[in-house]
Amino acid sequence: DTEVTQTPKHLVMGMTNKKSLKCEQHMGHRAMYWYKQKAKKPPELMFVYSYEKLSINESVPSRFSPECPNSSLLNLHLHALQPEDSALYLCASTRTGHDSGNTIYFGEGSWLTVV
Amino acid sequence: AQTVTQSQPEMSVQEAETVTLSCTYDTSESNYYLFWYKQPPSRQMILVIRQEAYKQQNATENRFSVNFQKAAKSFSLKISDSQLGDTAMYFCAFMSHTGRRALTFGSGTRLQVQP
Repeated sequence: DTEVTQTPKHLVMGMTNKKSLKCEQHMGHRAMYWYKQKAKKPPELMFVYSYEKLSINESVPSRFSPECPNSSLLNLHLHALQPEDSALYLCASTRTGHDSGNTIYFGEGSWLTVV
Repeated sequence: AQTVTQSQPEMSVQEAETVTLSCTYDTSESNYYLFWYKQPPSRQMILVIRQEAYKQQNATENRFSVNFQKAAKSFSLKISDSQLGDTAMYFCAFMSHTGRRALTFGSGTRLQVQP
C-alpha cells in the first residue's frame, strides 16, 4: 500500500474563513511534506515534518499553519488567505533513514480556491 | 543550493515511438537521488523512475529508462513504445542523500502522445 490520502479534494473558502487540509498515510513513513503547486508550475516546498517535528519551513506566511498530531497525520490550517493562495496543495510522505530508499509518495492533492 | 533544469517545455511524440526528455542539475554533493515524476491531468504526482547517484547502472522500469551521466550532471528519461496514457507533465527532481531531505523539481516538460 503506497497511499497518501488527502481531504478535501476541493475547497472553496472566503478570505475571512478558517479551514484545514488533512493528509493521512499508513505506510509507517516518518517524514511528511506539504507542497503548493500553481497551474503549469512545479510543486514548491512549504513544510517538512520529520518524526512529528517541523524540520523545514520555507518562509511560508503565517496564514498557513502546519500541524502533525501523530506519525500518520498531517494538517494544514488555513486562515485569512488571499486569492493568490489558490492552488493545488500536495501532501507527500517518505520513510526516513539514509538506507530507506527515499521514494516520496504523493497524495492526489487538495484544490483550494480563495474567493 | 541544488538546481534542476528541464529545457524542453513541451514535446510531442507519435504513439508507439520513442521520446527522450532532458534534465540537467547542479549540485556539489557526491551522493544523491534523482527522480522522474509524471503528473497527468488528474494532477496526482506519480513516480516513474528513480536513480541513486552512487549506482552507475542506469535505472529501468518497463518502457521507461534513464541515461544518467554523473560527470555531466545529466539525467534524461527515455520512453519507449509511447502510449496515449503517457500524456502528462513530467518533472525531473533531485534529493540530497544526507542534507536537505526534500525534492527540488525542474520546471517540467509537457508531453503529448499523438494517436
